[in-house]
Amino acid sequence: NAGVMQNPRHLVRRRGQEARLRCSPVKGHSHVYWYRQLPEEGLKFMVYLQKENIIDESGMPKERFSAEFPKEGPSILRIQQVVRGDSAAYFCASSPARWESGYTFGSGTRLTVV
Amino acid sequence: SQQGEEDPQALSIQEGENATMNCSYKTSINNLQWYRQNSGRGLVHLILIRSNEREKHSGRLRVTLDTSKKSSSLLITASRAADTASYFCATVSNSNSGYALNFGKGTSLLVTP
Repeated sequence: NAGVMQNPRHLVRRRGQEARLRCSPVKGHSHVYWYRQLPEEGLKFMVYLQKENIIDESGMPKERFSAEFPKEGPSILRIQQVVRGDSAAYFCASSPARWESGYTFGSGTRLTVV
Repeated sequence: SQQGEEDPQALSIQEGENATMNCSYKTSINNLQWYRQNSGRGLVHLILIRSNEREKHSGRLRVTLDTSKKSSSLLITASRAADTASYFCATVSNSNSGYALNFGKGTSLLVTP
């Protein structure tokens, strides 16, 4: 079984450009979570989505950041007009509808804004 | 703010020794989980312990939970060089949502041959 697939692994963007990060959850998992990790820090929750619904985006910055999980296709985390402070590793995790064990994390996308 | 706080920040031991990492948290929890992260990689789930459990084992891993002290410990016995990684505790609160993981900053473990 494939785990959580994230792409790209590394993404370099110039200030002001858009970054689109993709996440394909484990097959059969309908819940997706995005986390951000700054250097030497733990992961911080950003957003929780189910198919076609944003359940909780309390960890998302109010501007420039958006997320979706369409009926078909991967979940997308979109960052518009990136700034240097957006440079971080972004991790996606998924879980089944009712999870009894931990989340399955992807390998992350490392975003560098130059 | 971080919910879980790991201690120590860094730990260096020799192969064969035991490694103990501690985690403290602040609010009531539904469960606490430990994850491992190799450098530049994603997180791997190690073990989950529920708030009504006190101890759990998985292979060379032993996790304890003391809800009265709001603390947990992860013990890795007979460590190996391959155990070198960062270890994070993460809590799931008892809120209505009960899904968001609150991570600490992690303990960096180095196991030397």
